[in-house]
Amino acid sequence: DQQVKQNSPSLSVQEGRISILNCDYTNSMFDYFLWYKKYPAEGPTFLISISSIKDKNEDGRFTVFLNKSAKHLSLHIVPSQPGDSAVYFCATNTGNQFYFGTGTSLTVIP
Amino acid sequence: GAVVSQHPSWVICKSGTSVKIECRSLDFQATTMFWYRQFPKQSLMLMATSNEGSKATYEQGVEKDKFLINHASLTLSTLTVTSAHPEDSSFYICSARGAFGWTEAFFGQGTRLTVV
Repeated sequence: DQQVKQNSPSLSVQEGRISILNCDYTNSMFDYFLWYKKYPAEGPTFLISISSIKDKNEDGRFTVFLNKSAKHLSLHIVPSQPGDSAVYFCATNTGNQFYFGTGTSLTVIP
Repeated sequence: GAVVSQHPSWVICKSGTSVKIECRSLDFQATTMFWYRQFPKQSLMLMATSNEGSKATYEQGVEKDKFLINHASLTLSTLTVTSAHPEDSSFYICSARGAFGWTEAFFGQGTRLTVV
């Protein structure tokens, strides 16, 4: 049973525009959320995180928004760059468990 | 962020042989290590969680006798795929987390295993 869902398997965005990647989760007890970026044949790299006590966390071009009532989080990348093209996984961490979404493949078109 | 090194990055082995994959935390002590498997165009599937000095906890459906995990020290965990078969061909990734209070886990670069 998928605890974390990313319903869009792929997304294409023009360079310079905003990329919005979405993620839904099932358990309201989850209290920490992370985004990872993954290039082919490499391990995921940590990108940004947010605690459930916040509704927004910003780091440079990356902002994560958390809507606890909707059990939804999103990652905004602005402006999008070709180097951002990768698969993005959202994840939640509770206790010693990490649950990953299925990933969204982002393509930034130059 | 913290550095996790996984070795080898790719390996080809014959069916029936065993393959060992190493996962090392280079600049921190990893009290917990996770092993994942990724099938093409699919998410990361957690195989097992290991805490240093204790037996690994395997996810449902993962054969513990086939995928042997050892976490003998705070900086090293190994995954041994025993009696490998072509269907074991996959991308295996480890991640590691430090002591209580760490909220992020850091990943190795992954190992592409091909069983022929």
